[in-house]
Amino acid sequence: GQQVMQIPQYQHVQEGEDFTTYCKSSTTLSNIQWYKQRPGGHPVFLIQLVKSGEVKKQKRLTFQFGEAKKNSSLHITATQTTDVGTYFCAPNTGGFKTIFGAGTRLFVKA
Amino acid sequence: KAGVTQTPRYLIKTRGQQVTLSCSPISGHRSVSWYQQTPGQGLQFLFEYFSETQRNKGNFPGRFSGRQFSNSRSEMNVSTLELGDSALYLCASSLAGGAGYTFGSGTRLTVV
Repeated sequence: GQQVMQIPQYQHVQEGEDFTTYCKSSTTLSNIQWYKQRPGGHPVFLIQLVKSGEVKKQKRLTFQFGEAKKNSSLHITATQTTDVGTYFCAPNTGGFKTIFGAGTRLFVKA
Repeated sequence: KAGVTQTPRYLIKTRGQQVTLSCSPISGHRSVSWYQQTPGQGLQFLFEYFSETQRNKGNFPGRFSGRQFSNSRSEMNVSTLELGDSALYLCASSLAGGAGYTFGSGTRLTVV
């Protein structure tokens, strides 16, 4: 079955540093979604990528979808304390079962 | 518009009991998915419903079941509770499923 790997598991950064999390799927994807979960909260939808090689930006966040539609990344430029939380990728192979990666927990030190 | 509503927010049950959790999706959303979140296992997919039909199911024992009503509201039931069922149960809705889920705040279930 489909397997997804998300790395790193944890990342500690100083405020102002950049941060990147990567998601790798064993199978070609129909789309991939990214979510953020703040400590004590629930996952919140950030974005969906559908096209091969797609790049989308949301302020300081840049999302990329690999050419083969198996990999994706989320990059945060100049992190802020408000970026603290766990970032999940959610790959979808075209069905109605969206699985989630294990998540990357981001810690930001002021 | 109102978000996804899950009730109750917190629940304490004893081993062997059963529990029913409720989820009201965003108005107009017909797809409802359920996830179990634990610190060690992350977000695990339970099942997905669309128009009262279960379209997909995760790898959970038969003690976990669900249903969806004609108004898209969904319930999940866990019978013969075990200590390991303690978790945050999250419901997520979307228009058609497969993308862009809106999550509820979850039900925190503790089995003692």
